[in-house]
Amino acid sequence: DAGVTQSPTHLIKTRGQQVTLRCSPKSGHDTVSWYQQALGQGPQFIFQYYEEEERQRGNFPDRFSGHQFPNYSSELNVNALLLGDSALYLCASSLRVADRELFFGEGSRLTVL
Amino acid sequence: DAKTTQPTSMDCAEGRAANLPCNHSTISGNEYVYWYRQIHSQGPQYIIHGLKNNETNEMASLIITEDRKSSTLILPHATLRDTAVYYCIVSRGRAAGNKLTFGGGTRVLVKP
Repeated sequence: DAGVTQSPTHLIKTRGQQVTLRCSPKSGHDTVSWYQQALGQGPQFIFQYYEEEERQRGNFPDRFSGHQFPNYSSELNVNALLLGDSALYLCASSLRVADRELFFGEGSRLTVL
Repeated sequence: DAKTTQPTSMDCAEGRAANLPCNHSTISGNEYVYWYRQIHSQGPQYIIHGLKNNETNEMASLIITEDRKSSTLILPHATLRDTAVYYCIVSRGRAAGNKLTFGGGTRVLVKP
């Protein structure tokens, strides 16, 4: 049973560019959330997707957007990259939209130069 | 969600019990206590959660004080693979969805 998978694992971008990160949830899960983890800090909630709609959002600007597909996979898009966007981006899935037993992927490490 | 306070770091000996404290003095009646851990270079891993009663699973035990203002995560027989950052999180019920507010956590080093 595959867990949460994320791609790419590492990537480097320059300021002003755009990036798309991808996530496949654990088999049977229908809800996906995205978190940003800066070096040395705990993860910060970006947003949650359920039934292909954004259901909750954390304190992140509109440059951060997402999408969920009919197969429950998800993308995180970040536009106009800033140096401060350098972080580990974690995807988490759960069985239900209100479930807090989350299963996390290993993340995509983004470096912005 | 209520704020939590945890020690920044702690060491424990392999094979001994590890007791990780967490203070959540402003917790409200409908908030649960969750514990996650993050091993280096991996995503966080769910450990256990509870509301009022003590809970136990195959990974750990969670002891919540009667006034619910603090809790302790117990790893009964720590192994080197338990070296990780442990996060204590307080979160509302189902209305909060998947939003977990992680703090700085406790960096636990299990030593041989």
